[in-house]
Amino acid sequence: NAGVTQTPKFQVLKTGQSMTLQCAQDMNHNSMYWYRQDPGMGLRLIYYSASEGTTDKGEVPNGYNVSRLNKREFSLRLESAAPSQTSVYFCASRNTQALGGYEQYFGPGTRLTVT
Amino acid sequence: QKEVEQNSGPLSVPEGAIASLNCTYSDRGSQSFFWYRQYSGKSPELIMSIYSNGDKEDGRFTAQLNKASQYVSLLIRDSQPSDSATYLCAAFMDSNYQLIWGAGTKLIIKP
Repeated sequence: NAGVTQTPKFQVLKTGQSMTLQCAQDMNHNSMYWYRQDPGMGLRLIYYSASEGTTDKGEVPNGYNVSRLNKREFSLRLESAAPSQTSVYFCASRNTQALGGYEQYFGPGTRLTVT
Repeated sequence: QKEVEQNSGPLSVPEGAIASLNCTYSDRGSQSFFWYRQYSGKSPELIMSIYSNGDKEDGRFTAQLNKASQYVSLLIRDSQPSDSATYLCAAFMDSNYQLIWGAGTKLIIKP
């Protein structure tokens, strides 16, 4: 069981370039999340997908788009990168079918720098 | 605006002592709370969850919840240098099924 995987681990972009961050989970979880983490600011939710076929905006969605490709995969796209999007991006998943089922499990993160 | 507040630290504790980490939350409707540990350059890792008032123990870790005071804490007994990390507190929002995160407390265990 790999859990939650993310690619790439590191990326440097120039302002205006686009890229897609990939996330996959093999735990058969229904819900998936994209967060960004900046120093001193904690985790901020960008987008989430409560179940396959649905996506919703989180706290900081501007400049991002997402696709829930299937139950396993949830991608995050930056259409025109800006320096303000320099951050660490985490994907997480949650098993809504489990008793309780409130915990989220995280991938290793993508460290993105926009110059 | 629903919030979870933590002291950013750093909190410095001698090896072998008890480390006490605190968290307050604003939403009285929150029923479920979580502590995550995050080592530098790594992703958050779930270490404790607590749903009921009182204490919950797991090894060297004890989570405490006081819903009347809207207060959650994490005690780490017999602190080890390997416990040095940032500890994130999170509250589950029943209204939208999301976690609200504190900014984290940096803990340093001094040998």
